[in-house]
Amino acid sequence: AAGVIQSPRHLIKEKRETATLKCYPIPRHDTVYWYQQGPGQDPQFLISFYEKMQSDKGSIPDRFSAQQFSDYHSELNMSSLELGDSALYFCASSRGEISYEQYFGPGTRLTVT
Amino acid sequence: KNEVEQSPQNLTAQEGEFITINCSYSVGISALHWLQQHPGGGIVSLFMLSSGKKKHGRLIATINIQEKHSSLHITASHPRDSAVYICAVRSKGDKIIFGKGTRLHILP
Repeated sequence: AAGVIQSPRHLIKEKRETATLKCYPIPRHDTVYWYQQGPGQDPQFLISFYEKMQSDKGSIPDRFSAQQFSDYHSELNMSSLELGDSALYFCASSRGEISYEQYFGPGTRLTVT
Repeated sequence: KNEVEQSPQNLTAQEGEFITINCSYSVGISALHWLQQHPGGGIVSLFMLSSGKKKHGRLIATINIQEKHSSLHITASHPRDSAVYICAVRSKGDKIIFGKGTRLHILP
């Protein structure tokens, strides 16, 4: 069965650069969630989208923005990268705005040097 | 077979009951997380374990590394504990693997 796809899997950027992470949900899933997990830290919810509209917002920095496109894939744009942005970013998808079943992607490992 | 298995998938209990949710994994891990998710919301991290036992309020989490098994217990359960509880492991390859979650519903 198709799973959540994230790209790239690994990304290395320098401070003050910009990064774009992509998430492709499971077919027919209309909700996407983004999470950030720093080294040795617990996962943190960043933001979610349902039917291309932002549905919930967590601890997403102002330097980050995200959107969901007409094909339901989502992109997380990160500007003015800082060393502290180095983390595993993973997305999850579900069907319906309020869903107990989230399917998680493998994550994108971002390293800021 | 999933690398992280949770049981039960769904659990309905009366207020005040003692709740146990189990998590078994088949990979070597560096840490195990118990997460809580309310409908429409993000994930809240409850515990991060690498050995032994942790307690926070009415929540207790244990892990047995040799048996590759962890349990989350809720004492004196309350309707506000109704949520999805997710077990996630960080493999030694630094990959995060999530269980499918346990949907808990506490009736008043």
